Amino acid sequence: NAGVTQTPKFRVLKTGQSMTLLCAQDMNHEYMYWYRQDPGMGLRLIHYSVGEGTTAKGEVPDGYNVSRLKKQNFLLGLESAAPSQTSVYFCASSTINLEQFFGPGTRLTVL
Amino acid sequence: GNSVTQMEGPVTLSEEAFLTINCTYTATGYPSLFWYVQYPGEGLQLLLKATKADDKGSNKGFEATYRKETTSFHLEKGSVQVSDSAVYFCALTLQGAQKLVFGQGTRLTINP
Repeated sequence: NAGVTQTPKFRVLKTGQSMTLLCAQDMNHEYMYWYRQDPGMGLRLIHYSVGEGTTAKGEVPDGYNVSRLKKQNFLLGLESAAPSQTSVYFCASSTINLEQFFGPGTRLTVL
Repeated sequence: GNSVTQMEGPVTLSEEAFLTINCTYTATGYPSLFWYVQYPGEGLQLLLKATKADDKGSNKGFEATYRKETTSFHLEKGSVQVSDSAVYFCALTLQGAQKLVFGQGTRLTINP
């Protein structure tokens, strides 16, 4: 099992560009999450999904969109990147017991 | 609301020292409690958990006991190693909830 994988691992964008981060899990988990982690700060929940075709907002959803068209994939989109979105993005998945499994992260820099 | 408070970091210890990282919580109900560890450059991974009062979670020499009377879940290890250097997160969830509530994380550095 690969667990939770994230693509890409690193990305540099210019202000105003768009991109999509892909998260995939092979554990048949119902729940999936996107977090961001900034230096010196903990995790902040962006969006999450409790099943295929469902999404919900977390603490810091502005500037991001998500889609969960397939159970194993959870996509995070930035429509118009801003320097404030420079961060490390983590995806996680879990069953309903909420024991979350995390991916290795995507380091995004917006210039 | 539900929240988790961890001791301020960073924490710096010498190898073989005793470790305690404090975690207290506020919850409307009886939560399940978790400790996650994040090694440099990696994602978080579950270290241990406890689902009811007086449960003790343990893994890799780390332990934490769910104390309902003090609403605490302190992480302890008797003899730390350089390889334990990481950021540690305490977290909780309530039955029926759809997400975890994380503390702010505590950075631990172990010097040889």
